[in-house]
Amino acid sequence: DQQVKQNSPSLSVQEGRISILNCDYTNSMFDYFLWYKKYPAEGPTFLISISSIKDKNEDGRFTVFLNKSAKHLSLHIVPSQPGDSAVYFCAAKARGSGAGSYQLTFGKGTKLSVIP
Amino acid sequence: ETGVTQSPTHLIKTRGQQVTLRCSSQSGHNTVSWYQQALGQGPQFIFQYYREEENGRGNFPPRFSGLQFPNYSSELNVNALELDDSALYLCASSIKTGGETQYFGPGTRLLVL
Repeated sequence: DQQVKQNSPSLSVQEGRISILNCDYTNSMFDYFLWYKKYPAEGPTFLISISSIKDKNEDGRFTVFLNKSAKHLSLHIVPSQPGDSAVYFCAAKARGSGAGSYQLTFGKGTKLSVIP
Repeated sequence: ETGVTQSPTHLIKTRGQQVTLRCSSQSGHNTVSWYQQALGQGPQFIFQYYREEENGRGNFPPRFSGLQFPNYSSELNVNALELDDSALYLCASSIKTGGETQYFGPGTRLLVL
């Protein structure tokens, strides 16, 4: 039972254009969402996050939108650059089993290729 | 500021053996979480350690165990290795209070033959 879904395994975008990566979730208890970028042979790198009480968060070229009623979030990258080529993971945070603990649930990732 | 480090980078074991993976958390972070990432999948939560105690666990059997030390570094131990344990093991550190953002190390690639 996948609680966080990234339905597009891959996405190709021309340099300078907008990249839109999508993520859907099913668990209403998620209260915080994060995007991570992963290059081969490296660990995931934190990119941007959004609290469930907001609908938009912007950081430079990266904007995350959250639609709680649709249980959907998206990451927009404008303009896309060749260095953005990586696997992008959507992650959602919920309380864990321990007191005060929390855990992240990840999607399977979307491989973004930005073509020069 | 030192980031999250993990050792070793790669490891090959045979079925039935035991393995220990190590993680040093980012400076100022007191919570460590471990994840397993199989090929083509997203990271899956194994467990979290805070104040040297397990503080939350995902859907992994007891042969996956861990330790956290007073300096907040951590170990992941896996007993009776199975072929399906072959994966990238990621360690992430965070600040416990309000620390929703977890920062990941480069991972340890484990191959079980």
